Amino acid sequence: DAGITQSPRHKVTETGTPVTLRCHQTENHRYMYWYRQDPGHGLRLIHYSYGVKDTDKGEVSDGYSVSRSKTEDFLLTLESATSSQTSVYFCAAQGVDQETQYFGPGTRLLVL
Amino acid sequence: GNSVTQMEGPVTLSEEAFLTINCTYTATGYPSLFWYVQYPGEGLQLLLKATKADDKGSNKGFEATYRKETTSFHLEKGSVQVSDSAVYFCALSDRPSNIPTFGRGTSLIVHP
Repeated sequence: DAGITQSPRHKVTETGTPVTLRCHQTENHRYMYWYRQDPGHGLRLIHYSYGVKDTDKGEVSDGYSVSRSKTEDFLLTLESATSSQTSVYFCAAQGVDQETQYFGPGTRLLVL
Repeated sequence: GNSVTQMEGPVTLSEEAFLTINCTYTATGYPSLFWYVQYPGEGLQLLLKATKADDKGSNKGFEATYRKETTSFHLEKGSVQVSDSAVYFCALSDRPSNIPTFGRGTSLIVHP
């Protein structure tokens, strides 16, 4: 267990507003990931980080940015939320075996 | 690129029935293979893994064998319980990036 927490757990926002989701881990893991989960699509990788200030894009990165100023925190920002970004967002950290993923509980985001 | 294909759901079974969820993969290297489980309202959690050909991962009565010749990692359980109702994800992690690739998930519903 990598001690992953996410905040907020639920959020409702309006189209065009910025939204920031936070992921916090307590185990000093180097690699962290943001995914979105949608019916029919499974999990899709948005962005990932391989260290402080080191991030890279995943398969669905358009409309999202990330930041990692501390090892324990990985932030996902929707610069201007759209209805297509309504989803459940999961953060994960990669364990010491450099393979196993440990997931947070998720954030349900509704963009009206 | 890498990909994971798993059977479409939902899979609906009666309690104590035998379960098989098929998973096949394509990978450029020699990946590690995983099954994750997601209970309602929660994040994914590791169920079992296998890191090399012919390895069998097992946990909570579930098992899967890494079959390199058929590029498969099918999940099995001899007698399912209502509490096994969840979504099951097959995944791989391939070197050198170790960025995971997930299948789309298979929903399992077990009736009493």
